[in-house]
Amino acid sequence: EVQLLESGGDLVQPGGSLRLSCAASGFTFSSYAMGWVRQAPGMGLEWFSAITDSGDDTYHAESVKGRFTISRDNSKSTLYLQMNSLRAEDTAVYYCTKGSVARRPYYFDYWGQGTLVTVSS
Amino acid sequence: EIVLTQSPGTLSLSPGERATLSCRASQSVSSSYLAWYQQKPGQAPRLLIYAASSRATGIPDRFSGSGSGTDFTLTISRLEPEDFAVYYCQPYGNSRTFGQGTKVEIK
Repeated sequence: EVQLLESGGDLVQPGGSLRLSCAASGFTFSSYAMGWVRQAPGMGLEWFSAITDSGDDTYHAESVKGRFTISRDNSKSTLYLQMNSLRAEDTAVYYCTKGSVARRPYYFDYWGQGTLVTVSS
Repeated sequence: EIVLTQSPGTLSLSPGERATLSCRASQSVSSSYLAWYQQKPGQAPRLLIYAASSRATGIPDRFSGSGSGTDFTLTISRLEPEDFAVYYCQPYGNSRTFGQGTKVEIK
C-alpha cells in the first residue's frame, strides 16, 4: 500500500523558515517523480514544486522561486521542501504527491494527508 | 501557461441524478494528458481519471471522462451520497495548473 506521510508543518512568523518532510513507503521511491501541491484555506490547488526520480531536475513555480527548494533522498525514501522567507500568503495545507512515472508527463496518483503551514505574527 | 475554466462552479443535484462537469482549456491539451481529482472536505484530493478517460485504480465505473483538445467532461452517471465533493481537472502534459474546481452539492 502506497503511503505518503508529511511532517514539519507549524506556525511560523513572516520571514521565517520551515522544512517539510514526506516519508514514502509501499513503492520504489527512486523510480517516480514527486511533487508538492498546496491549498490555501478555502481555495483551490496549486502545484508549485516537483522533482524527477533521480533529483536531477526540479521545478518551482514563480510564486515560490528563490524561497523554496525541493529535494529528495532516495536512500531514505523521503521528499523534502525547504521553505525560507515565508509570507502570509504561503499559509496553506501542503500535500506531498507521487508522480505516475519518473518524468513528465505525469499525473499525481497518490497524495499524502497534508500538513498545515501557518505564517502569522 | 494554460488557463482552465471549469463549469459550472457549483452543481446542485440529488442522489441518483447524473452529473456533467466541464473543463475547458485555453489551448490544446497535449495527447489528452488530462486528469480529474475528487476532494472531499478535510481530505486530500484523490485521482479519479487520467489520460482524459482512464479510470484510476478502484474508481467505480459510474465515473467516466471524455474529451480531447480543449474540451473535457467528467460524468458521474448516478450520484451516490459519497460523490458530493469538489472536482478538479489538471492538464499534466504541457501545464502544471489545476482548474478552479466544481463543487457538486446535494440539492
